[in-house]
Amino acid sequence: EDKVVQSPLSLVVHEGDTVTLNCSYEVTNFRSLLWYKQEKKAPTFLFMLTSSGIEKKSGRLSSILDKKELFSILNITATQTGDSAIYLCAELSGNTGKLIFGQGTTLQVKP
Amino acid sequence: GAVVSQHPSRVICKSGTSVKIECRSLDFQATTMFWYRQFPKQSLMLMATSNEGSKATYEQGVEKDKFLINHASLTLSTLTVTSAHPEDSSFYICSASTGETQYFGPGTRLLVL
Repeated sequence: EDKVVQSPLSLVVHEGDTVTLNCSYEVTNFRSLLWYKQEKKAPTFLFMLTSSGIEKKSGRLSSILDKKELFSILNITATQTGDSAIYLCAELSGNTGKLIFGQGTTLQVKP
Repeated sequence: GAVVSQHPSRVICKSGTSVKIECRSLDFQATTMFWYRQFPKQSLMLMATSNEGSKATYEQGVEKDKFLINHASLTLSTLTVTSAHPEDSSFYICSASTGETQYFGPGTRLLVL
């Protein structure tokens, strides 16, 4: 059964800190891995990763995929209070086209 | 970018009534839409996959007669919660697939009294 596991489940940091969120997966037919940010409403898309070793970057956020070790990380540098949210990692199954979500990491950035 | 809308954003209803939620992809055509449910402090749980012009595929444990899904066009899918009960109170989110990425609607908060 396909599975996605995120760690840590929650994290509290101060503004300016750098954080690394982890996502590991076990899938039978991998297609891509996606990161989302969820605040009070529905998730907003951050990154889609399909190839190993290629870093995707958007401002202070970056992410990379390791298909050999079956994990991905999401880095946030110089965190701000507006980064406080739940970060969701999901694997897009090549078999079904469905997203399989991890439990999410709740990040709180204190001023 | 791809935009998905949901309506209504929030609904309060009495137990036993039915509630319809609409999901629209505004600037792209989505052959597949997905419906999720999210309880507080939990991740998204897939309820069903909706393909245009065909019957929805429901996940294990989701009652198809209670959660009616209609995908009438490439830009619209609807979820009807029939005879809603308080335990159906949740955050319902749809997503529309471009084939490579899923884009989420803003969600509908349902409260059944």
